[in-house]
Amino acid sequence: GQQVMQIPQYQHVQEGEDFTTYCNSSTTLSNIQWYKQRPGGHPVFLIQLVKSGEVKKQKRLTFQFGEAKKNSSLHITATQTTDVGTYFCTAGGGNKLTFGTGTQLKVEL
Amino acid sequence: NAGVTQTPKFRVLKTGQSMTLLCAQDMNHEYMYWYRQDPGMGLRLIHYSVGEGTTAKGEVPDGYNVSRLKKQNFLLGLESAAPSQTSVYFCASSYSGRLTYEQYFGPGTRLTVT
Repeated sequence: GQQVMQIPQYQHVQEGEDFTTYCNSSTTLSNIQWYKQRPGGHPVFLIQLVKSGEVKKQKRLTFQFGEAKKNSSLHITATQTTDVGTYFCTAGGGNKLTFGTGTQLKVEL
Repeated sequence: NAGVTQTPKFRVLKTGQSMTLLCAQDMNHEYMYWYRQDPGMGLRLIHYSVGEGTTAKGEVPDGYNVSRLKKQNFLLGLESAAPSQTSVYFCASSYSGRLTYEQYFGPGTRLTVT
């Protein structure tokens, strides 16, 4: 099945700093989804990218899908304490998702 | 709309005991899924269902069984629990179709097997 690797595994930032997590696949992806899981919570859908080179923004979050559709990134500008959590990318095949291992973000005041 | 609900929220089992986890959704979704989440391993798909009366194996199906007798419910069974099944279990549901749709997750069940 498809595998997705995420880096870094952990990231500790000061509030106001930027944060980026990367998602890489060895195979071409039909689409990629991003989810956020707060500590003690459940994954919540953030966005889906489908087109090569696609860039989508949600307030301070910017999502990119690589030209070759093998990688993706999530960038958060000026992190806030509300951004704390684990961010997962997923590779979709029909409606079966393969989750990456996630990047755990901690934000310090 | 309650979305996706899971019962129970917590459970402690002894090795060899059995239990059933219940997932219910009120969004009329065709697809339902069971995942387990272990530290540092993301979410792994156990079983899934593409409609009432159908089930299929995911990435880590061994030791689990599922049933989808009603469209809104998806049950996950452990016949003989093992310590390796200590995990957090999430149920999810989504629309069906040619495209990939977002999955809606339940709050999770934290299971400990001693």
